[in-house]
Amino acid sequence: GAGVSQSPSNKVTEKGKDVELRCDPISGHTALYWYRQSLGQGLEFLIYFQGNSAPDKSGLPSDRFSAERTGGSVSTLTIQRTQQEDSAVYLCASGNRIVYEQYFGPGTRLTVT
Amino acid sequence: QKEVEQNSGPLSVPEGAIASLNCTYSDRGSQSFFWYRQYSGKSPELIMFIYSNGDKEDGRFTAQLNKASQYVSLLIRDSQPSDSATYLCAVNTDFGNEKLTFGTGTRLTIIP
Repeated sequence: GAGVSQSPSNKVTEKGKDVELRCDPISGHTALYWYRQSLGQGLEFLIYFQGNSAPDKSGLPSDRFSAERTGGSVSTLTIQRTQQEDSAVYLCASGNRIVYEQYFGPGTRLTVT
Repeated sequence: QKEVEQNSGPLSVPEGAIASLNCTYSDRGSQSFFWYRQYSGKSPELIMFIYSNGDKEDGRFTAQLNKASQYVSLLIRDSQPSDSATYLCAVNTDFGNEKLTFGTGTRLTIIP
């Protein structure tokens, strides 16, 4: 079946611009996660959605970051007024409540110039 | 602070040998444990999960869990150059919450 998809695969933006990153989870998965991975670094948790529950936003690094999930499916991560330190690969993962495993999308590489 | 710790490596293993990757975690209440493989420039790929003490085998991979000692390991038998990657350990530390805490990963290199 189809895996997690993300778009765009690459995004280059100028400092100060806003960007939107999209994630399509695996059909039927109720949990959706956003992570950030800087070059050579580990995964940094950003935000977690589970069904209709309020999202866990505890990992968002600043109020410039926000995310929403419409209809319990597609999610958009928005970064306002981008800074150079926002440059990273943004990974989306989806999962179910059986054994809590997560499946990752291919990521969006964001470069802020 | 709920932590998952891994040796960052690099760990170099001759082709055909057994590669042993270790992970320790701080939260004694942790329930589920996962190993992911991440090739350079790619996203993490789930290899195995384990939630009961003991060993779980899948092909050349064996996950070992010891909750009393709070460690989980991954053994790769008959290592191949294609096994060269970074291996991430992840732990579910909140019962009823699917969030995973990831280690920073161990970089494994298989030497032909």
